[in-house]
Amino acid sequence: QVQLKESGPGLVQPSQTLSLTCTVSGFSLTSNSVHWVRQPPGKGLEWVGAIWSGGSTDYNSALKSRLSISRDTSKSQVFLKMNSLQTEDTAIYFCTRNYGSYWGQGVMVTVSS
Amino acid sequence: DIVLTQAPLSVSVTPGESASISCRSSKSLLSSKGITSLYWYLQRPGKSPQLLIYQMSNLASGVPDRFSSSGSETDFTLKISKVETEDVGVYYCGHRLEYPYTFGAGTKLELK
Repeated sequence: QVQLKESGPGLVQPSQTLSLTCTVSGFSLTSNSVHWVRQPPGKGLEWVGAIWSGGSTDYNSALKSRLSISRDTSKSQVFLKMNSLQTEDTAIYFCTRNYGSYWGQGVMVTVSS
Repeated sequence: DIVLTQAPLSVSVTPGESASISCRSSKSLLSSKGITSLYWYLQRPGKSPQLLIYQMSNLASGVPDRFSSSGSETDFTLKISKVETEDVGVYYCGHRLEYPYTFGAGTKLELK
């Protein structure tokens, strides 16, 4: 059964670094891509970036300078790190397999002092 | 960045009736491989998005055939026939033609 679950701190202070983990099961990270998508409260969806089956990454150019996506295949985990957080980064962060039919439940991240 | 413009922003439908949602792209979504990179998602209230349609007209696994999609290289339409209660939510079109992938602003479907 394919599952994805995001985890991380609910509250981050401005200018600090966000670290999120997407723990997956039911599929291999070496055969599938994992994407991150975020959604500010009450607003639409924004593609954040992806790590592909071969380990390469692609990022939204608007976030690229602050963003890093990596993985640990032995633990079936994908990591998102974003630095210099601002209030505009407050959002629900989702991870999704192949940007398709399987999504995690999302994790709410609030940037506030 | 490719801009996807959805219309209307909201639609109210009587159960059993049909609904159509439009998505217009600022650039052709036809890839060099002949694939039209247009996707439709539904986000039910309080839930994660789910894929409905991929590559413009292909139904994702488990999606009822009441949903259909068609279009050209830049103009697309999602049609929902015989709307049911479970169809309530926000519909997003999205593309994967180039980076960054982007979404439309969403169309909220409500029941009358």
